[in-house]
Amino acid sequence: EPEVTQTPSHQVTQMGQEVILRCVPISNHLYFYWYRQILGQKVEFLVSFYNNEISEKSEIFDDQFSVERPDGSNFTLKIRSTKLEDSAMYFCASSGSLAGAGETQYFGPGTRLLVL
Amino acid sequence: AQSVTQPDIHITVSEGASLELRCNYSYGATPYLFWYVQSPGQGLQLLLKYFSGDTLVQGIKGFEAEFKRSQSSFNLRKPSVHWSDAAEYFCAVGGNTDKLIFGTGTRLQVFP
Repeated sequence: EPEVTQTPSHQVTQMGQEVILRCVPISNHLYFYWYRQILGQKVEFLVSFYNNEISEKSEIFDDQFSVERPDGSNFTLKIRSTKLEDSAMYFCASSGSLAGAGETQYFGPGTRLLVL
Repeated sequence: AQSVTQPDIHITVSEGASLELRCNYSYGATPYLFWYVQSPGQGLQLLLKYFSGDTLVQGIKGFEAEFKRSQSSFNLRKPSVHWSDAAEYFCAVGGNTDKLIFGTGTRLQVFP
C-alpha cells in the first residue's frame, strides 16, 4: 500500500539554525500539506500546496516557514531560523484531489523536531 | 468558530469490552468528519470518514462511527476491543477548505 514517508524521523537543532524537513508524498497525489503537533497539544494545520503554489496557510505559517516541491517526488518544509517554540512533531500529508471536497489526507509518520 | 472537542483525554477498557470515543464538532459549513489513529512512533492512520449519505460509517479494524447532525457528534465505536487497539485516537473535521481541524485526542489503554 502506498504511503507518505518523511525524513528525518528525529532532528535536534540549535535555536536560530535553519532546518529542512522532507516528505515524499504518495506518488499520484497532487495536494500536499504540513501539520504540526506540539507535545500535548492538538494537531494543527500549517499549509497546503498545490500546483507549485501555497493554496492555504494558517496564522502559524509566518515568514519563517516556506514550502517547496524541488522535484517530482519531494515536498519540503523549511524553517529559516528556528525558535524554541518550533519544537514539535511535524506531519506531512497528501491527497489525490482537493481536501475541501472531502478527499482523504494521508499522513506520514512525522518528524520530531527539537530546538535547543 | 470551527472546532473539535474530544471530552475524554484518557480511556481505559478491558480487552473484549465495548468502546465508544466521543467527538463533537462546531463547523459552519457541511462537515466532512474523520477518525484517525496514531500508534506510538507511527503516523496518523485513517480509520474511517463521513462524507455524505449513510450516517453510520464502517471503517478498518472493526470500527464504526455515527454522524448525528442534530447533536454535532461523530462518536467512534467498537463492539469488542483488542489489546492492539491501544493508541491515540483523533477526530477531525474538514469541509470547504484544505485544512483539517483536529481534536486533542483520546488515549486508549487496554487491559488484558
